[in-house]
Amino acid sequence: QKEVEQDPGPLSVPEGAIVSLNCTYSNSAFQYFMWYRQYSRKGPELLMYTYSSGNKEDGRFTAQVDKSSKYISLFIRDSQPSDSATYLCAMRGQAGTALIFGKGTTLSVSS
Amino acid sequence: NAGVTQTPKFRILKIGQSMTLQCTQDMNHNYMYWYRQDPGMGLKLIYYSVGAGITDKGEVPNGYNVSRSTTEDFPLRLELAAPSQTSVYFCASSYPMETQYFGPGTRLLVL
Repeated sequence: QKEVEQDPGPLSVPEGAIVSLNCTYSNSAFQYFMWYRQYSRKGPELLMYTYSSGNKEDGRFTAQVDKSSKYISLFIRDSQPSDSATYLCAMRGQAGTALIFGKGTTLSVSS
Repeated sequence: NAGVTQTPKFRILKIGQSMTLQCTQDMNHNYMYWYRQDPGMGLKLIYYSVGAGITDKGEVPNGYNVSRSTTEDFPLRLELAAPSQTSVYFCASSYPMETQYFGPGTRLLVL
């Protein structure tokens, strides 16, 4: 089993839809969870950063972490064409441990 | 601030040639990283550094070398280019335990 699993998609939705992106992981030592957004031919940029279990909201974006299920989600409300990108989940344990990335989910939002 | 800058943006190499990918950050981050990203495969850590003069291998170090003589610069060296090194290379930097900031990437094609 890979350490981090992420459905690559592609995922296509109409403008205004609610999008749910997910990752599962196997390493119970992971404590820090991130979502990066990567536009075509650009570097990843941090979208959300959470520690341990719980929810975090930032505008139209909500990140959820369920450590008991080893499952993290990113919800995008009122999706816009500008949200079309690849979304990468990433996670790590304590200081000095590497950041492990999922393979990324490609999202396309049509107007 | 420019953040993380990478040069060149794109390069074609012949098998057996060598080159250096440049990475510079102006955020005074201690930690710097090199990743490669292959289509549908997510980001794989090649090498990282926790400070000037200190480097360590990541998940896929074979065929690469790094050095860190200053806080700002973290060049990645390919000595004998192989087709398997065709990829997009991203440099990133961070404070310890903090978010990683990525550069725009270098696209490398080895023919």
